[in-house]
Amino acid sequence: KAGVTQTPRYLIKTRGQQVTLSCSPISGHRSVSWYQQTPGQGLQFLFEYFSETQRNKGNFPGRFSGRQFSNSRSEMNVSTLELGDSALYLCASSLEWGLRVYEQYFGPGTRLTVT
Amino acid sequence: AQTVTQSQPEMSVQEAETVTLSCTYDTSESDYYLFWYKQPPSRQMILVIRQEAYKQQNATENRFSVNFQKAAKSFSLKISDSQLGDAAMYFCAYITGNTPLVFGKGTRLSVIA
Repeated sequence: KAGVTQTPRYLIKTRGQQVTLSCSPISGHRSVSWYQQTPGQGLQFLFEYFSETQRNKGNFPGRFSGRQFSNSRSEMNVSTLELGDSALYLCASSLEWGLRVYEQYFGPGTRLTVT
Repeated sequence: AQTVTQSQPEMSVQEAETVTLSCTYDTSESDYYLFWYKQPPSRQMILVIRQEAYKQQNATENRFSVNFQKAAKSFSLKISDSQLGDAAMYFCAYITGNTPLVFGKGTRLSVIA
């Protein structure tokens, strides 16, 4: 079974631009979570989607948004990019949402660099 | 808010030796799960081991085992017979109810040949 895939793997953008990252979960997985990883802040939760509905949202500004499609694929968008948005963005999928099925499988990440 | 603390930013171990990585967490919940994730230089996060809070028995996965002390809110990872491929960042993480995973800051493990 194919793992979680993320596209693109690397991205360079300029301040003020916007970016869209994509995540395809493992087949059959319906929950997708997004995390931002930086050397200073570590791994921080962005949001989680299940059945096309946002179930949880982390403490990030409104410039960060996401959505999930009917096939469980998810996208996250960052508008008006700032230098501090440079990070590794990780996507993780799991079968269901909530404590009952708890194992999350991570993708390889998208390295975003904002110049 | 739930927090996860990894007090050792860096650790090193000789090949074939045993190393223990520490993790403490803070929660008022009684039902939760704890995890150790490994992130090698390739950056793909891999689940190493998980522990259900309601289980008293410590989880083991081959060379990896945990020491789960619920009352002390401690969840350490022991790696036996360390191998060069064990070199990575190790993250302790916690989840409860419908809240997302909360990660510690990580411990960078080096394995010396």
